[in-house]
Amino acid sequence: GQQVMQIPQYQHVQEGEDFTTYCNSSTTLSNIQWYKQRPGGHPVFLIQLVKSGEVKKQKRLTFQFGEAKKNSSLHITATQTTDVGTYFCAGRSSGSARQLTFGSGTQLTVLP
Amino acid sequence: NAGVTQTPKFRVLKTGQSMTLLCAQDMNHEYMYWYRQDPGMGLRLIHYSVGEGTTAKGEVPDGYNVSRLKKQNFLLGLESAAPSQTSVYFCASRLDRSSYEQYFGPGTRLTVT
Repeated sequence: GQQVMQIPQYQHVQEGEDFTTYCNSSTTLSNIQWYKQRPGGHPVFLIQLVKSGEVKKQKRLTFQFGEAKKNSSLHITATQTTDVGTYFCAGRSSGSARQLTFGSGTQLTVLP
Repeated sequence: NAGVTQTPKFRVLKTGQSMTLLCAQDMNHEYMYWYRQDPGMGLRLIHYSVGEGTTAKGEVPDGYNVSRLKKQNFLLGLESAAPSQTSVYFCASRLDRSSYEQYFGPGTRLTVT
């Protein structure tokens, strides 16, 4: 079945440093989504990418979808303590429009 | 709008006991999902439903059953709980096939001893 790998599993950064998490799928995706989960909370939708090579920005967050539609990344510029949490990618394959396959997540800690 | 709600929030079961987790949404969403979240493994899909009266298996369905008798409710049942089912369970809903955002409930933390 479809697998979505995400690295790194953990990342500690000093406040103000940049952060990047990477997502790789074993199959070509029709789209990819990103979610954020605060400690003790539930996943919250951030964004969806659909097109090959697509880049979207939300303030300090930049999301990219690879040209082959098998990988994606989330980059945060100048992290803040409010960025703390676990970031998940979730891919949807063309043959499974009803389901998302989630990556294992990257847990971000921001040290003040 | 309450969004997606889950009951109970916490539960401790002994091995072999049964229980039902309830998920309710007031957004008139067609699709509903049950996930489990374990450390280092992300969210894994247990079962899902694309409409009232329909259910389908996800990635890890063994040991669980579901029912969607009403559009707004999606029930997850454990007939004979096992320690391997200790996890945090999240319900999610999605408007329909043309939408893509999933809305998650607050989760249920289940411990099986």
